[in-house]
Amino acid sequence: GAVVSQHPSRVICKSGTSVKIECRSLDFQATTMFWYRQFPKQSLMLMATSNEGSKATYEQGVEKDKFLINHASLTLSTLTVTSAHPEDSSFYICSARTPGQGASNYGYTFGSGTRLTVV
Amino acid sequence: GQQLNQSPQSMFIQEGEDVSMNCTSSSIFNTWLWYKQDPGEGPVLLIALYKAGELTSNGRLTAQFGITRKDSFLNISASIPSDVGIYFCAGRGYYGGSQGNLIFGKGTKLSVKP
Repeated sequence: GAVVSQHPSRVICKSGTSVKIECRSLDFQATTMFWYRQFPKQSLMLMATSNEGSKATYEQGVEKDKFLINHASLTLSTLTVTSAHPEDSSFYICSARTPGQGASNYGYTFGSGTRLTVV
Repeated sequence: GQQLNQSPQSMFIQEGEDVSMNCTSSSIFNTWLWYKQDPGEGPVLLIALYKAGELTSNGRLTAQFGITRKDSFLNISASIPSDVGIYFCAGRGYYGGSQGNLIFGKGTKLSVKP
């Protein structure tokens, strides 16, 4: 089945530094990937939709200059948290749209998440 | 905006019991997905539903796409300890002529009865 690899699984960084999170589709091409943020005991909140070869679409309230998304190839999307602050500490999860039967029966496979702690 | 209500928020299970949870949406969906998330991990897809009325099983799990296209349920039969975790429903529909993004419910936390 479709596998999405997310790296790193955990990262601790100092306030003011930037952190890059990678999301790779291992056995399929992902023209569309999604980035979510999840606070403790909360549901997943969509941050942005990443489309290969074009600019990401950010959800309302998400700062695009702070959360830089690059989807330069069909198997890799990256999320860079720039000038991180403690309030950016969270669990970040990517997912990729996976092919299914028919044009509309596609699914979503998730990465294993990245626990970001900003100190 | 679109809203997805998932219930119950939490429940305790005893081994061997059947479990049921459901989600309702404020708008029509064309896809319902059920995921399980373990602590510190990403969600793992359990069942995908694409047609109203569809009933799909995956081992001891059964899910249905409601005929109104605004609800879905997930049943777990004969629960076992490894069923504990957080279950999320997710759905998407057409909005303004285009396919919308996936929306998640708030989750149902399954715990073992003390």
